[in-house]
Amino acid sequence: LAKTTQPISMDSYEGQEVNITCSHNNIATNDYITWYQQFPSQGPRFIIQGYKTKVTNEVASLFIPADRKSSTLSLPRVSLSDTAVYYCLVGDIESGGGADGLTFGKGTHLIIQP
Amino acid sequence: GAVVSQHPSWVICKSGTSVKIECRSLDFQATTMFWYRQFPKQSLMLMATSNEGSKATYEQGVEKDKFLINHASLTLSTLTVTSAHPEDSSFYICSGPGLGTEAFFGQGTRLTVV
Repeated sequence: LAKTTQPISMDSYEGQEVNITCSHNNIATNDYITWYQQFPSQGPRFIIQGYKTKVTNEVASLFIPADRKSSTLSLPRVSLSDTAVYYCLVGDIESGGGADGLTFGKGTHLIIQP
Repeated sequence: GAVVSQHPSWVICKSGTSVKIECRSLDFQATTMFWYRQFPKQSLMLMATSNEGSKATYEQGVEKDKFLINHASLTLSTLTVTSAHPEDSSFYICSGPGLGTEAFFGQGTRLTVV
């Protein structure tokens, strides 16, 4: 799996849009980008996955530039309950977690204040 | 998404005793499942790959005789921490396989060895 780099922590306020950027300079052609959310004492929860351009679901948006060397997770109008650790992972959709398990980086600890 | 159920959510045991953690796939069958360990304020670390009907594959540095993994059916994998010691206190998480980096995790088990 390609190595990823994220900010260790971020702070924001309720109602704001939060963007967390992940760098993955060594991303391979077959690699997808996946983001997970983890609350204290819970297992990670899949948020969103993408390959290029933009992906949006009911929870977040994922922006991926043309060179795919970075990606940005966008959380619209955050609330206190969005305080969590967010992990960015990059891997081949055909193997990766399906066969080899996942390699997690340090993640970004997002703290939302009132 | 796929549902993975882990039991117990937390357990306290005395030093020297063994503890079993169960991981069940509720709505899918899995020939492979994964076990992770997470120490406080750290990221998840893959411990081992559980293989149905065959021996588990352990990551480097993980003692296979201490962390016994059994995957006797397509819906159940168990992790037994044998002769537990305080340094084994951690958060243990299992996951089913997924597509690439999209995986589904159990709720996790908080193990405290006293």
